[in-house]
Amino acid sequence: KAGVTQTPRYLIKTRGQQVTLSCSPISGHRSVSWYQQTPGQGLQFLFEYFSETQRNKGNFPGRFSGRQFSNSRSEMNVSTLELGDSALYLCASSSGTEGETQYFGPGTRLLVL
Amino acid sequence: GQSLEQPSEVTAVEGAIVQINCTYQTSGFYGLSWYQQHDGGAPTFLSYNGLDGLEETGRFSSFLSRSDSYGYLLLQELQMKDSASYFCAFPSGSSNTGKLIFGQGTTLQVKP
Repeated sequence: KAGVTQTPRYLIKTRGQQVTLSCSPISGHRSVSWYQQTPGQGLQFLFEYFSETQRNKGNFPGRFSGRQFSNSRSEMNVSTLELGDSALYLCASSSGTEGETQYFGPGTRLLVL
Repeated sequence: GQSLEQPSEVTAVEGAIVQINCTYQTSGFYGLSWYQQHDGGAPTFLSYNGLDGLEETGRFSSFLSRSDSYGYLLLQELQMKDSASYFCAFPSGSSNTGKLIFGQGTTLQVKP
């Protein structure tokens, strides 16, 4: 089976811009979760989508949003970028019934200047 | 609140055994997962303890004690390639949720 893929792998944006990141889960997986990883805060949960519905949400401002399509592919969007949004954004897929076992993509490294 | 604590760094020599501890605080606990992340790489799933006791997968074992809110990851016959960060995590909200709460990670350095 192909693994989780994320595009783009690297991104440089400036403050105030918006960005959209994409994630394709493992075939057959219906749950996609997004995490932000920074040296200071570690791995922090953003949100989870299951069957096109947001099932869980983390403690991030409304500038962070996401969606899931009928083929389980997911996108996350960050509007009005801030310097502090510079991070590695990871998506993870799971079956939807075994959330403790997640398969992570390689991540998108976002740098906000 | 929900939190996990683990040591920030551990150093060991090749061939040795190392234990990475994790204590947690949460209500509605379902189990403890462990993930490995090499520098610049994605976290990869290592093991999950849904019940108390020891789970063994090759050179890696993981243990859970719900009564002590404590678990550990045991790495045996250490190899240089085991140098990585190791995270404990638990599902938050329900047992099948895709919302994982992670510890801050333990950086393991294996020396020759």
